Amino acid sequence: DIQMTQSPSSLSASIGDRVIITCQASQDISNYLNWYQQKPGNAPKLLIYDAADLQTGVPSRFSGSGSGTDFTFTISSLQSEDSATYYCQQYDTLPLTFGQGTRVQIK
Amino acid sequence: EVQLVESGGGLVQPGGSLRLSCVVSGFTVSNNYMNWVRQAPGKGLEWVSVLYVGGNSYYTDSVKGRFTISRDNSKNTLYLQMNNLRADDTAVYYCARGYQVQLWAFDSWGQGTLVTVSS
Repeated sequence: DIQMTQSPSSLSASIGDRVIITCQASQDISNYLNWYQQKPGNAPKLLIYDAADLQTGVPSRFSGSGSGTDFTFTISSLQSEDSATYYCQQYDTLPLTFGQGTRVQIK
Repeated sequence: EVQLVESGGGLVQPGGSLRLSCVVSGFTVSNNYMNWVRQAPGKGLEWVSVLYVGGNSYYTDSVKGRFTISRDNSKNTLYLQMNNLRADDTAVYYCARGYQVQLWAFDSWGQGTLVTVSS
């Protein structure tokens, strides 16, 4: 199975800060990567697909980049409603696998 | 409006069985990749199974031979039959639709149903 490793596991940042989360795959997955946001008690929400494509209706402060084994998820200006856990997910090879999650808290 | 509503979770003893249902509206189950994803309490997301449009399916190794994904087109419903349940199957189970633009991106999810395996 392809292992997905996210860094950091958690972070605390202030409103307006730039937040960067990384996701590393255990093997080359091209751009076959998605990003999700999950708030407590809720189902995940798709934010980014194909590593860099913004899902319809998702604010433009969210972005993704990368290919191969190294990927980045960025919130350009952190808002209070962005407090959540973020997951990357690879779809190069079944079984699909997720990163362990990054919890983003507001200072 | 797209909606997915899971049901069928509950408390079951180890070795027992449950069948989860996911009733969908706003789209046709048989025209989409449909998945089950689970989340153990306080843990991350784990993909469980997919049912392809053509009817084939795939499972993560830990549930192979114990879980079966299926659908009823007449009821527009997805199922997950879970047999020989173990304690480590305890989780919230979500059904999720594959996005039409990127089939392995899950653009719509249910609210989840909790399965607890315990004696």
